[in-house]
Amino acid sequence: DQQVKQNSPSLSVQEGRISILNCDYTNSMFDYFLWYKKYPAEGPTFLISISSIKDKNEDGRFTVFLNKSAKHLSLHIVPSQPGDSAVYFCAASLETSGSRLTFGEGTQLTVNP
Amino acid sequence: DTEVTQTPKHLVMGMTNKKSLKCEQHMGHRAMYWYKQKAKKPPELMFVYSYEKLSINESVPSRFSPECPNSSLLNLHLHALQPEDSALYLCASSQLPGGSWREKLFFGSGTQLSVL
Repeated sequence: DQQVKQNSPSLSVQEGRISILNCDYTNSMFDYFLWYKKYPAEGPTFLISISSIKDKNEDGRFTVFLNKSAKHLSLHIVPSQPGDSAVYFCAASLETSGSRLTFGEGTQLTVNP
Repeated sequence: DTEVTQTPKHLVMGMTNKKSLKCEQHMGHRAMYWYKQKAKKPPELMFVYSYEKLSINESVPSRFSPECPNSSLLNLHLHALQPEDSALYLCASSQLPGGSWREKLFFGSGTQLSVL
């Protein structure tokens, strides 16, 4: 049972345009959400996070939006740059579950020059 | 130093071999993790150590044996593995609750394991 889903395995955008990566979850008890970025031959690196008490968090070119009623979050990257090309993982956690993160399957973003 | 260092980067082993994966961090983090990632799949949690004690074992088979000798080191001992255990094994670390620990796991680059 995949509790965190990223339904788009890949996304291709033009440099300078907006990239929107989507993530859906089924467990309404999740209270913290994170995005990680992964380049080939490297481990995932933390990008941005959002608590369930917020609906938006912004950090530079990256903004995460959370819609709790729809159990949906999205990552917006604007403007997109070729260096943003990577696999992006959505992850969710429960405070009561300790250190467990549940990851989605990832979306390969390609930003074309 | 914000790195988590994993060795070796690649490992090929037979089903009767015994090998160990190593992980090291010097960020003062007191939580360390092992994750397993199969191709085109998300990372899956295997073990969590908090203050050098095993706090989470996600029902991992006993052919995987974790060890945390001190706060900077984490090992994963492998014995009698199966071909389906071939995967990327990722180590991670984080600060413990009380701060913003839930925001950041720092991952190593992983060990790509092939079991023949």
